[in-house]
Formats: sequence, C-alpha cells, structure tokens
Amino acid sequence: QKEVEQDPGPLSVPEGAIVSLNCTYSNSAFQYFMWYRQYSRKGPELLMYTYSSGNKEDGRFTAQVDKSSKYISLFIRDSQPSDSATYLCAMMADRGSTLGRLYFGRGTQLTVWP
Amino acid sequence: GAGVSQSPSNKVTEKGKDVELRCDPISGHTALYWYRQSLGQGLEFLIYFQGNSAPDKSGLPSDRFSAERTGESVSTLTIQRTQQEDSAVYLCASSFGPNGNTIYFGEGSWLTVV
Repeated sequence: QKEVEQDPGPLSVPEGAIVSLNCTYSNSAFQYFMWYRQYSRKGPELLMYTYSSGNKEDGRFTAQVDKSSKYISLFIRDSQPSDSATYLCAMMADRGSTLGRLYFGRGTQLTVWP
Repeated sequence: GAGVSQSPSNKVTEKGKDVELRCDPISGHTALYWYRQSLGQGLEFLIYFQGNSAPDKSGLPSDRFSAERTGESVSTLTIQRTQQEDSAVYLCASSFGPNGNTIYFGEGSWLTVV
C-alpha cells in the first residue's frame, strides 16, 4: 500500500461547479498536509497548508483534514477554467527519521470547461 | 529572483554521459529538497539538505546519483553515466526549515537521455 493514495481522475466539471478532491493516507505520523497545483510543464505551486486536523479557507479554496479517518480534502468553489491543472496532495511527519520528506499523491487532473 | 531557480531548464544528453543540475533556493531558506517526477508518476523524494548536511539521502536511486550543497545556498545534483530511465523532471524545493508550511518548488529541470 502506498503511503498516500489519490485518485488520478481525470475530473471534468463545468465552470462554476464545486470541485472536491481528496487523498487518503496510512501513516499516522503525518502532521503537515499540503495541496499543490501543477500546471503543465511547471513546478508544483503551494496552494494550501494545514497542520494537524481542522479546516482552512483561502478565498475559493477550503482544505479539510480528518486525522481519525486519515483523509484530507480540497474544495474549490466557483471553479474557473484557470483552475484546470493537476492537484497534488502532500504530507509530512513533524519528527523522526523521515522529517523533511514530503509524501505525494499521484495527483488528480482537473479540467474546468467554460 | 524571489523564487527557487533551477538550471538548465531543459537538458538532452546521450546515454552514458554525466549531467549536473543546479538549484538556487529562496534566500534565507535553510532546507533544500530534490524530487524527481517521471511521466505519469508522482513525485519521488531524492534527498533533503538542512544547511549543507544531508540528514536523509535515502531516496537517491543508485550510486550514480549524488548531491551537494554549499552552505545554505546553491545545490547541485549530479547523475553519472546517465541511463534512459533517468529521463524525468528533477524538481528542487526550499523552505525555512523541515516543516511543511513554506516548501516552495522551482520549475524543474527536464532531463531527456537518448
């Protein structure tokens, strides 16, 4: 079993839709949870960061972490064509031998059509 | 510049040749990371530097791969005797420390081994 599982999609939605992206993980030591957006032939861009459990909102983006279920989500409200990209979840422990190592999901490819 | 800078952005090399990839982290960032992204694959951890020491180099795939860092500045990733399976995007990232909230990626070095 991979450390982080993410459905690769592709996911195709109309403009204005609410998009839900999610990842599951197996390592209970993970404390940092991130979402990155990656456009074609570009590096990953940090979108959202959460430490431990809870919700975080930034504009149209909301990140949720449920550590009891080992499940994280990213919601995009009022999706725009410019949101079309690959979304990567990433996680990291805050101590131990793997400190400094991000574990990534495979990424979900999202297309928002006008 | 304000972001992580990587060079070269594209490199085509013949099988068996050595290549050197360079990363300039964001000023003030003490931690530096190298990842590899192959076509259709997720991001694979290679090595992590804190300052100029590498607490975790366990992700380097073989002894043909090596990396070094000068102080809290430039890092180089060297691949000796390149093989076709080394073709990938090599991504560098940096942060203030080994935590998740400020890990920023460069645009990557696209390596093709022919």
